Amino acid sequence: DIQLTQSPSFLSASVGDRVTITCRASQGISSYLAWFQQKPGKAPKLLIYAASTLQSGVPSRFSGSGSGTEFTLTISSLQPEDFATYYCQQLNSYALTFGGGTKVEIK
Amino acid sequence: EVQLVESGGGLVQPGGSLRLSCAASGFIFSDHYMDWVRQAPGKGLEWVGRSRNKAKSYTTEYVASVKGRFTISRDDSKNSLYLQMNSLKTEDTAVYYCVRAKPSSGWYDDYWGQGTLVTVSS
Repeated sequence: DIQLTQSPSFLSASVGDRVTITCRASQGISSYLAWFQQKPGKAPKLLIYAASTLQSGVPSRFSGSGSGTEFTLTISSLQPEDFATYYCQQLNSYALTFGGGTKVEIK
Repeated sequence: EVQLVESGGGLVQPGGSLRLSCAASGFIFSDHYMDWVRQAPGKGLEWVGRSRNKAKSYTTEYVASVKGRFTISRDDSKNSLYLQMNSLKTEDTAVYYCVRAKPSSGWYDDYWGQGTLVTVSS
């Protein structure tokens, strides 16, 4: 199975900060990558798919980039509602896999 | 509005069985692939398996840890997805999410249910 390694696993930031989360795949996955946001007690929410396509209704401060084995999720200006855990997911091959998550907390 | 409502979770002893259901509404269920994803308490997300649509003959995929124990099925006439779980282990304890996948050069998980908790314990 393809392993996804997210870094950092924990991030402390302030409102207005630019935040970048990295997801590295153990082998090439083209652009078959999605990003999710999860808040405590809630189901995950799709933010980005196909590595860089913004899901409908998601604020434009979220963006994704990358292909092959290295991907990034960027939040251009962190808002109070963005404090959550973020996961990447690869859909290049089965079994589909998720990264370990990045928890973004308030500094 | 897309809605996915899971049911059937609960407490079960190791070695036991449980069947989860997911009632879908607000979209053409038969067109979509559907997934089950789980999350153990305090842990990350784990994809459990997928049911492809009628066009792909309802074929299924599973993560290795559940293969041979779990079975995904669907009834398009009832807009429902199922997860039959047999030979349950304590490590299967998790919230189980029913997830719709949408096509876009790949099938991406775009809508999630609220989840149902399965606890495997003696």
